[in-house]
Amino acid sequence: TQLLEQSPQFLSIQEGENLTVYCNSSSVFSSLQWYRQEPGEGPVLLVTVVTGGEVKKLKRLTFQFGDARKDSSLHITAAQPGDTGLYLCAGGLYNAGNNRKLIWGLGTSLAVNP
Amino acid sequence: NAGVTQTPKFQVLKTGQSMTLQCAQDMNHEYMSWYRQDPGMGLRLIHYSVGAGITDQGEVPNGYNVSRSTTEDFPLRLLSAAPSQTSVYFCASSFTAFPSSYNSPLHFGNGTRLTVT
Repeated sequence: TQLLEQSPQFLSIQEGENLTVYCNSSSVFSSLQWYRQEPGEGPVLLVTVVTGGEVKKLKRLTFQFGDARKDSSLHITAAQPGDTGLYLCAGGLYNAGNNRKLIWGLGTSLAVNP
Repeated sequence: NAGVTQTPKFQVLKTGQSMTLQCAQDMNHEYMSWYRQDPGMGLRLIHYSVGAGITDQGEVPNGYNVSRSTTEDFPLRLLSAAPSQTSVYFCASSFTAFPSSYNSPLHFGNGTRLTVT
């Protein structure tokens, strides 16, 4: 069962455009992480958000955690070809036994064309 | 600054063969894990370990074995390879046993691309 829905699945834009990627769930997460994965490499952490309503900025990237901690968004301003990659969200859940489990979205594949 | 090192980068196996994917980390991380990444399926957890001598199953453990005799190493063994195990395999580690927490992100290796014919 896929608990984290990412949209869009694919995005192809021109350099300089803005874009937003969404990560939605019916579950409440203790934290939400965004990773970027480039071809032939493993995912690399961009940010972790833990508080409902939290907004974090990383240069041209803005991350927001929903007030209810069920959803998150990633907004990129003035996209550049170097932003090309697969963007993955991952939510932390407590399962039975109070152990944390990481739930992954399927990813958004972004291509920024020069 | 090695981080998480996976070997080999590429491997082709015939159905029924066995092999071990190696993973080593030099960050003294407690938590280590193996994922497989398939188109349309995303990242799926195979096995994980919260410390030396402790391993547990993830969501897709069948056909794979792991052991954790040291903090640094976490090999993944394919007992009898099947075409359904064709995938990209990632090893990932984190400082604490809770990889989703604020100060404990997952550090991934660069993957092993496995093809089973």
